Amino acid sequence: DQQVKQNSPSLSVQEGRISILNCDYTNSMFDYFLWYKKYPAEGPTFLISISSIKDKNEDGRFTVFLNKSAKHLSLHIVPSQPGDSAVYFCAASHGSSNTGKLIFGQGTTLQVKP
Amino acid sequence: DGGITQSPKYLFRKEGQNVTLSCEQNLNHDAMYWYRQDPGQGLRLIYYSQIVNDFQKGDIAEGYSVSREKKESFPLTVTSAQKNPTAFYLCASSPWGLNQPQHFGDGTRLSIL
Repeated sequence: DQQVKQNSPSLSVQEGRISILNCDYTNSMFDYFLWYKKYPAEGPTFLISISSIKDKNEDGRFTVFLNKSAKHLSLHIVPSQPGDSAVYFCAASHGSSNTGKLIFGQGTTLQVKP
Repeated sequence: DGGITQSPKYLFRKEGQNVTLSCEQNLNHDAMYWYRQDPGQGLRLIYYSQIVNDFQKGDIAEGYSVSREKKESFPLTVTSAQKNPTAFYLCASSPWGLNQPQHFGDGTRLSIL
């Protein structure tokens, strides 16, 4: 039972354009969502998060949008840079469970072409 | 520099052998986690610990064991009962409290000889 899904295994964009990575979830109890970036043979790096009381959070070139009714979140990267090429994971947690457990999607590989 | 250190980076196990993966953090985080990543898949939670001397099973705990004797250390033992141990293992930590992002080490790749 995949509670967090990233349906696009890969995405390719041109440098300078917008990258949009998508994530869907099924558990309506999730109330905190995160995006991580991962290079090969390294651990994931935290990028940005959003709680369910907001529908948008921005940090520099990265913006996360949350649509609770659709159980959908997306990460926008503007402008995309070749160094953004990596695997991106979305993750979700259920804050009131008080465990801190994160449920991860399968990841989307982003390639930014110069 | 504060961070999470996992060692070794690469580890090889013979059939029937137990191996222990090290995870140390100097971030003063209360909570620590172990994940497993397989090719084309997301991270799956093995075990987690919210405080010293306490830990809980995650989604795929069978064949693994952990201990949390010190706040900064959370070693993972892959036992011979784990039939498919070849994977990339990631340790993470976070402060305790609501909506705290987890921070990861650089992982240990375990392979079977």
